[in-house]
Amino acid sequence: QKEVEQNSGPLSVPEGAIASLNCTYSDRGSQSFFWYRQYSGKSPELIMSIYSNGDKEDGRFTAQLNKASQYVSLLIRDSQPSDSATYLCAVNIFKAAGNKLTFGGGTRVLVKP
Amino acid sequence: GAGVSQSPRYKVAKRGQDVALRCDPISGHVSLFWYQQALGQGPEFLTYFQNEAQLDKSGLPSDRFFAERPEGSVSTLKIQRTQQEDSAVYLCASSSPAGEPGNEQFFGPGTRLTVL
Repeated sequence: QKEVEQNSGPLSVPEGAIASLNCTYSDRGSQSFFWYRQYSGKSPELIMSIYSNGDKEDGRFTAQLNKASQYVSLLIRDSQPSDSATYLCAVNIFKAAGNKLTFGGGTRVLVKP
Repeated sequence: GAGVSQSPRYKVAKRGQDVALRCDPISGHVSLFWYQQALGQGPEFLTYFQNEAQLDKSGLPSDRFFAERPEGSVSTLKIQRTQQEDSAVYLCASSSPAGEPGNEQFFGPGTRLTVL
């Protein structure tokens, strides 16, 4: 079992609809959770971080965390063609030696006009 | 201020050559990370520095990989005797302050290494 799992997609979404992305993780010691957006040929760009159970909203993005179920999700409202990218879920387990991120394989999202 | 910068952006090496990849973190960021990203996969951790101290090198795939950050700012990832399986994008990220949970990491543009 991978430490962080995501559906690879592609997730095809009509313009204006809600895109829902899911991520599960295996280590219950995980403390911090991040969503990165990565356009083809570019580096990951941080779009959301979440640390406690519940929802966190930032513009058109909402991150949801459920530590009991070891599940984190990202909702993209009013999806735009410019949202077409790969979305990476990343999990941090804090240790004295540092806080490396463990990434899922990413979900490719295609927003169709 | 400027973000994380990396050079070169692209590197082509013949199998067996040594390469050196440079990372210049965001000014004032004490934590610096190197990740390797293969095509179609998520980044994988290689190594971590807090200032000049290399606190975690558990992700380095072999003893051909070596990283340093002698003055606690710029870092260099060196790969000796490159192999074809080393072909990947090498990403550098920095964060601040040191070692606290939840610190957000910001990535540079990456260096795409191709080994022929």
